[in-house]
Amino acid sequence: DVVMTQSPLSLSVTLGQPASISCRSSQSLVYSDGSTYLTWFQQRPGQSPRRLIYKVSNRDSGVPDRFSGSGSGTDFTLKISRVEAEDVGVYYCMQGTHWPPPSFGGGTKVEIK
Amino acid sequence: QVQLVESGGGVVQPGRSLRLSCAASGFTFTSHAMHWVRQAPGKGLEWVALTWFDGKKKYYADSVKGRFTISRDNSKDTLYLQMDSLRAEDTAVYYCARDFNYGGVIVEVDYWGQGTLVTVSS
Repeated sequence: DVVMTQSPLSLSVTLGQPASISCRSSQSLVYSDGSTYLTWFQQRPGQSPRRLIYKVSNRDSGVPDRFSGSGSGTDFTLKISRVEAEDVGVYYCMQGTHWPPPSFGGGTKVEIK
Repeated sequence: QVQLVESGGGVVQPGRSLRLSCAASGFTFTSHAMHWVRQAPGKGLEWVALTWFDGKKKYYADSVKGRFTISRDNSKDTLYLQMDSLRAEDTAVYYCARDFNYGGVIVEVDYWGQGTLVTVSS
């Protein structure tokens, strides 16, 4: 099974400052079609998860452009260019290349300093 | 817009059964594979099960294999999770989630329901 490791576990950020979350996989997530099936989800307090980014760097409709995804192979990053109050929550990466099972990272909690 | 509404959660004793439902709307249900994902209190996300668009292929996490059964009724746009031999460690919010694809070789979860809480306790 592919293990997804996120860091840090939590992040305390000043409003307007950047934030960066790392996600590493135990094996390459590049599929034979050349795509990399790495997804980022945001889970605000008391809510269900919401997809932000798919295939490493594609932002979903309605997602603010302060969110960006990057990376390749086994190392991926979610960046928030300027953190806003509504960004508080837990962020998860998920891989869908090698399954079953598809696997999630353990989550990174973002809070405001 | 895509809507996924779970129901059927509640408190159940260890060893008993429960069936969850997920009513889908706002998209062509028969064109998408569907998942169940759970989240224990204060914990992260754990994938539980997947069924292809036609219900003919099903996959399970090792932690639920042999105890849980995923199914779908495409005439009712509804996804189900039959949970038997429940254990305390199955206590979680259970989410229904849509896959972007009909099924096949990769997994791409896009939309989630609001979840239903299952508590296994005597």
